[in-house]
Amino acid sequence: GENVEQHPSTLSVQEGDSAVIKCTYSDSASNYFPWYKQELGKRPQLIIDIRSNVGEKKDQRIAVTLNKTAKHFSLHITETQPEDSAVYFCAAGGGYQKVTFGTGTKLQVIP
Amino acid sequence: GAVVSQHPSWVICKSGTSVKIECRSLDFQATTMFWYRQFPKQSLMLMATSNEGSKATYEQGVEKDKFLINHASLTLSTLTVTSAHPEDSSFYICSARDGAGGTYNEQFFGPGTRLTVL
Repeated sequence: GENVEQHPSTLSVQEGDSAVIKCTYSDSASNYFPWYKQELGKRPQLIIDIRSNVGEKKDQRIAVTLNKTAKHFSLHITETQPEDSAVYFCAAGGGYQKVTFGTGTKLQVIP
Repeated sequence: GAVVSQHPSWVICKSGTSVKIECRSLDFQATTMFWYRQFPKQSLMLMATSNEGSKATYEQGVEKDKFLINHASLTLSTLTVTSAHPEDSSFYICSARDGAGGTYNEQFFGPGTRLTVL
């Protein structure tokens, strides 16, 4: 089955700086890569996703890149704000099947 | 956007009792629902995939006789934790996927149920 690794497990940045979270996956059949933000005690919220036919996608301060050859994808958050502080999960899956979650990154944005 | 509800939001029960958690898609039909378990400071671990009208598919290591899943309609799936024990205490989250072919593969998550077994 799919195996998703995520790094780093914790990340502290100064407000206004950029944050980068990286994930690798094992199943070459995976073609859907969502990113979720989860605040303490709440449900995961989809913040951005990318499909295998696209190498990069951007939505305001958030961008995701995908390298299918190397089987890795990354989340980039620019101009970080305190409200970006949360746990971020990457995930990988195929078609209309299940997705496998990464281990999570706790992001702390220091004002 | 698509809304998924869960009930109850939290439950405390005695060891040995059974607890039922409901997951509902409120404004769309969910042919597939997923049940996850999340321990503190850990990731979401998929327990089972629930398809309307058929038996659930359980992940390796998840006891199907302990975690009973029923997906009787396109808007409701239930998870019953039978003979609960303290080690079953966790945050249980469901998600649903729009069967009408909405956004490709996006899952919409419920708010979760905090289960505490005494």
